[in-house]
Amino acid sequence: DTAVSQTPKYLVTQMGNDKSIKCEQNLGHDTMYWYKQDSKKFLKIMFSYNNKELIINETVPNRFSPKSPDKAHLNLHINSLELGDSAVYFCASSQEGDRDHQNSYNEQFFGPGTRLTVL
Amino acid sequence: GDSVTQMEGPVTLSEEAFLTINCTYTATGYPSLFWYVQYPGEGLQLLLKATKADDKGSNKGFEATYRKETTSFHLEKGSVQVSDSAVYFCALGYSSASKIIFGSGTRLSIRP
Repeated sequence: DTAVSQTPKYLVTQMGNDKSIKCEQNLGHDTMYWYKQDSKKFLKIMFSYNNKELIINETVPNRFSPKSPDKAHLNLHINSLELGDSAVYFCASSQEGDRDHQNSYNEQFFGPGTRLTVL
Repeated sequence: GDSVTQMEGPVTLSEEAFLTINCTYTATGYPSLFWYVQYPGEGLQLLLKATKADDKGSNKGFEATYRKETTSFHLEKGSVQVSDSAVYFCALGYSSASKIIFGSGTRLSIRP
């Protein structure tokens, strides 16, 4: 049983197209994330949702729009794809830590990644 | 702001060699510290963590100690194996922010 799954695993498309990447977690977590990993392996958070509510929105072009239909799913839709969008996109989930204890932090579980190639 | 700096790779070692991957951090509060590992073609997975100063995280023969005085969380292993070849990420996080800040990753290659 896969804990965090993403589809598709590979996505090759032309510039200007619109595409979506889906993510599902079966861990019962209440927080989900999208990360972008570039060719040098640098990992940058893009979005975070907690119980379907957006809580982190880093400086990401508004061509990227996350959608969370329920707390087990966080999909990423990308409009007007550009060459620079080529990367590996990772979904992750975690159970929110105890905010009353600043050292309480729960592990993030990552999906296998979606390699997006824009031609 | 908060940040994580780790040694640049790639690091190439022979099997059974001693490993150290340096990691230092800058933090405005009291974060938890993590090492994540990414094996080829896979997502990241938590290797170990430490939640407060002087804590030592350990797993699969890897260790790291949360050093507040030197703001460091260096990863060590006494005897590496070929199967340890991967990219290692140092990271920090706060429960109040639901966000992890990752270092740039260090690629480790182990020769048989």
